[in-house]
Amino acid sequence: KAGVTQTPRYLIKTRGQQVTLSCSPISGHRSVSWYQQTPGQGLQFLFEYFSETQRNKGNFPGRFSGRQFSNSRSEMNVSTLELGDSALYLCASSVHRALVLPNNEQFFGPGTRLTVL
Amino acid sequence: TQLLEQSPQFLSIQEGENLTVYCNSSSVFSSLQWYRQEPGEGPVLLVTVVTGGEVKKLKRLTFQFGDARKDSSLHITAAQTGDTGLYLCAGARGQGGSEKLVFGKGTKLTVNP
Repeated sequence: KAGVTQTPRYLIKTRGQQVTLSCSPISGHRSVSWYQQTPGQGLQFLFEYFSETQRNKGNFPGRFSGRQFSNSRSEMNVSTLELGDSALYLCASSVHRALVLPNNEQFFGPGTRLTVL
Repeated sequence: TQLLEQSPQFLSIQEGENLTVYCNSSSVFSSLQWYRQEPGEGPVLLVTVVTGGEVKKLKRLTFQFGDARKDSSLHITAAQTGDTGLYLCAGARGQGGSEKLVFGKGTKLTVNP
């Protein structure tokens, strides 16, 4: 069974640009969550999508947005990039939404390393 | 203010030694998870603990959830070089079916041969 895939793996942008990152969940997984990981703040929750609807959102500005398609694939977009947006962006998928359910492990992809110059 | 504090932040030990890492909070969590992340990869779930006072063992790893469900510890016995990695704890907050995971900043463990 293929794991969570994220594209691209590495990305370099300049301030003010926008970027779109893609995540393909494990087949059969309907919940996709996005996280930002930085050395200073650690892993922080961005948002969660389930059945093409945003179900949960973290404390990030409106420049961060996302969507989910009918095949559960998800994209996140960051507009007007700032230097502080440099981070590893991780996507995770699970079958259901409830994280504490048995056999509902959240699987992470390898991440997209975004560098903003 | 970090909701989940992990300590120590860095730990470098020799193969064969024992170690404990801690995850503390003033908040109550419905469940707590431990992950290990290796360079260039995403975190991989090690365990989920749900009940206060719960202890789970995974080979040489022992996980404990505090009685009040505010803290947790991970103990590794006879560490091996393959245990090297970033250990993250994550607490689930929210109503059933809509939990969000709050992560600590992690403990970076290096096991030297």
